[in-house]
Amino acid sequence: KAGVTQTPRYLIKTRGQQVTLSCSPISGHRSVSWYQQTPGQGLQFLFEYFSETQRNKGNFPGRFSGRQFSNSRSEMNVSTLELGDSALYLCASSTAAGRYEQYFGPGTRLTVT
Amino acid sequence: AQSVTQLDSQVPVFEEAPVELRCNYSSSVSVYLFWYVQYPNQGLQLLLKYLSGSTLVESINGFEAEFNKSQTSFHLRKPSVHISDTAEYFCAVTLNAGGTSYGKLTFGQGTILTVHP
Repeated sequence: KAGVTQTPRYLIKTRGQQVTLSCSPISGHRSVSWYQQTPGQGLQFLFEYFSETQRNKGNFPGRFSGRQFSNSRSEMNVSTLELGDSALYLCASSTAAGRYEQYFGPGTRLTVT
Repeated sequence: AQSVTQLDSQVPVFEEAPVELRCNYSSSVSVYLFWYVQYPNQGLQLLLKYLSGSTLVESINGFEAEFNKSQTSFHLRKPSVHISDTAEYFCAVTLNAGGTSYGKLTFGQGTILTVHP
């Protein structure tokens, strides 16, 4: 079974721009969670989607948003990029409403200049 | 709210030596516990999990962890490490509850394990 895939793997953007990251979960997984990983803050939960509904959200500003499609693929969007948004963004999928183990993709490395 | 503390940020060991990576958690409700490993420039790989049942859980590559409810710990151990075990290890917890626990793993700050020849 194919693992979680994320595209693109690397992105360079300029402050003020917006960016969209994509995540395809493992086949049959309906829960998708997003995390931000930085050297200073570590791994922080952004949000979780299940059956196209956001069920949980972390403590991030409204510039961070996401959505999930009927095929469980998910996207996250960051508007008005700031230098501090430079990070590795990880997507993870899970079978049962995100309560059990999550399987991670390789991440998207976003650099904001 | 739950929290996870990994007590060592870096652990250097020699090849074939035993190792223990320590993890303590704090939560007012029951939890599920995980260890993940991250190699450079890669995502996280699930190493092992505790959901219920036996408090000692094992991975296919020789790691084991023991859930200790009274000490709120989930330490990771391996009796003999290899060079290839060099990586960053993350302990994570999710609540055995609904609502704000959905899809949310809370991670420790990570422990960098470096295995020297």
